[in-house]
Amino acid sequence: QQPVQSPQAVILREGEDAVINCSSSKALYSVHWYRQKHGEAPVFLMILLKGGEQKGHDKISASFNEKKQQSSLYLTASQLSYSGTYFCGTEWVDYKLSFGAGTTVTVRA
Amino acid sequence: GAVVSQHPSRVICKSGTSVKIECRSLDFQATTMFWYRQFPKQSLMLMATSNEGSKATYEQGVEKDKFLINHASLTLSTLTVASAHPEDSSFYICSALLRTSGSTDTQYFGPGTRLTVL
Repeated sequence: QQPVQSPQAVILREGEDAVINCSSSKALYSVHWYRQKHGEAPVFLMILLKGGEQKGHDKISASFNEKKQQSSLYLTASQLSYSGTYFCGTEWVDYKLSFGAGTTVTVRA
Repeated sequence: GAVVSQHPSRVICKSGTSVKIECRSLDFQATTMFWYRQFPKQSLMLMATSNEGSKATYEQGVEKDKFLINHASLTLSTLTVASAHPEDSSFYICSALLRTSGSTDTQYFGPGTRLTVL
């Protein structure tokens, strides 16, 4: 089953913040976040494993609440390069990932 | 590190033609690779898991006789779309699983192959 992402799209000005949510009806082992630019392959951002775990890369961070079966991705002080579609992937068995529908982020100058 | 390549990047073919797509892990060995399909503005849908030295496992609804997968080496998996039809037109993306002891196993994606069947 696909995880549910929200919002579907968000438009930001440079320097603004945004939150992307990912939730699942099934128990989660891990959550994987990727960013994809138009016509390109998804690029790995980070993996979260444990309940309550938080990670960060530059000004993009994420949290994972295992009990609530949800993860959130935080874009802080957004840059033009943050534009793209963000996918969360939830691992279900044998390393297989089920991806959400994606959240399109547009950062404008 | 963790670079995955795909070839070709784009292919246009006539209906009924078979098309072969290669997926290579350039700087690591991958016993497991995955094949996804992505329609415009949609998410990635897992088609099959490719395991080196054994048969691929297909997700429900994916025809194994149409989408032939071969994982002949630790760095190469191929997807052959047999007798392609216009409805097979899509963006096909592979990923290779990087396993690292003491760290989390991660999928790294290739750049994708856009298939257009006329």
